[in-house]
Formats: sequence, structure tokens, C-alpha cells
Amino acid sequence: TQLLEQSPQFLSIQEGENLTVYCNSSSVFSSLQWYRQEPGEGPVLLVTVVTGGEVKKLKRLTFQFGDARKDSSLHITAAQPGDTGLYLCAGASGGSYIPTFGRGTSLIVHP
Amino acid sequence: NAGVTQTPKFQVLKTGQSMTLQCAQDMNHNSMYWYRQDPGMGLRLIYYSASEGTTDKGEVPNGYNVSRLNKREFSLRLESAAPSQTSVYFCASSDSGRNNYGYTFGSGTRLTVV
Repeated sequence: TQLLEQSPQFLSIQEGENLTVYCNSSSVFSSLQWYRQEPGEGPVLLVTVVTGGEVKKLKRLTFQFGDARKDSSLHITAAQPGDTGLYLCAGASGGSYIPTFGRGTSLIVHP
Repeated sequence: NAGVTQTPKFQVLKTGQSMTLQCAQDMNHNSMYWYRQDPGMGLRLIYYSASEGTTDKGEVPNGYNVSRLNKREFSLRLESAAPSQTSVYFCASSDSGRNNYGYTFGSGTRLTVV
């Protein structure tokens, strides 16, 4: 089973700050997804990346897939309290289409 | 509303009791999954069904059984609940296994086994 390491584990910031969270593995991914999970709810898909070096933007969120397809980052510009949640990455590799989930980065944005 | 519906949302069981968690999706997805989420452990796959009529074990299948009743419904059964099965359970679906571009998750079932 491939291992996805997410960092940092916890992040507490003030509204308006920028932040980056990371997802790393020793495995090459065929695809990688980012999800946001709010308390009491299921994860919600934010983005899927499939091409090495790919960059996708979703309003203030920028997702990047590493050139070697082993890592990814999520950058949030001018964080808002509504960005609070658990950010999960999930990647499939080794010929399996079933992704493995990282343990997540818990983000709190204070007003 | 389109999506994945799970029932019940909350459940308390005594050790040894049985129960079935229900999941239904209305997006015409082929693949469905059951995960459990525990603090510090992330989401772990219990069972999945790549298509109607097939089921396969995931990472943590012991103590569980599943049934893919039809294309829409995928249930998870605990035959004899144990305290170690206290967790939040999520059902998910996806369009196609070989081109998995992400899951749609239900809102979860919070199960406590006492």
C-alpha cells in the first residue's frame, strides 16, 4: 500500500494569510485528488490532477502536481474562515485505480 | 438532490449486535465504496464494488460484509459489532473505476459500539 504523507498536520492562521499544504509519496500517481471535509460532513472533491507539472486554479486555491507525479501542493491565497476544514489528498498508483488517502491537513482560519 | 445518501446518520450499538448501513446513489455511477474514518488514521477502505454484481475487499474488511443490491445501492453489514468498530463510516461512488477522477461521498454514519 502506497503511503501519502501530508504536511503540516495542523495549521492555524489569521484571515488574509496565505498558506501551502503538501502531499508527498515515493510512488508515482496515475491521478491525484484533493478534497475538503467540513466537520460532520463527508469529503467534497476539489480537483483532480493527472498530468505531471499540471497547475489548476479554483478561485483562491491553486493546485500543482509535481513533474514526476509523486507529489502535489495546495496553495490558498488570502485565506477566509470559510476555508476552515480538513484537506485530504488521495492518489492511485501501482496499476490500481483505488486511491489511498493521506491523513489530512486540518486548517483553521480565524476571523 | 443528486448525490450519495447514507442512513442512518447516527447509531449506538451494544457489543454483539448486528446492523446494516445503507447507501444509495442517483448519479448512475458504476463503482461504490465503503470507508471508515478514525482520528489520526485517515480514510481506510473496507470494501468496494467496481460494478454491479462484484465486490472486493479493501484494506480493513474483517468484521464486515457488503451487498451490491443493484447499481444504485451498496450496503455494509456488521454481523457482531465490536467496540473497535466505533467509527465514522462513509459511502462513496465514482463514475468509472479505470478512470477514477474522484469520488462523491455521503455525509457519513457515526457509529458507537458500547
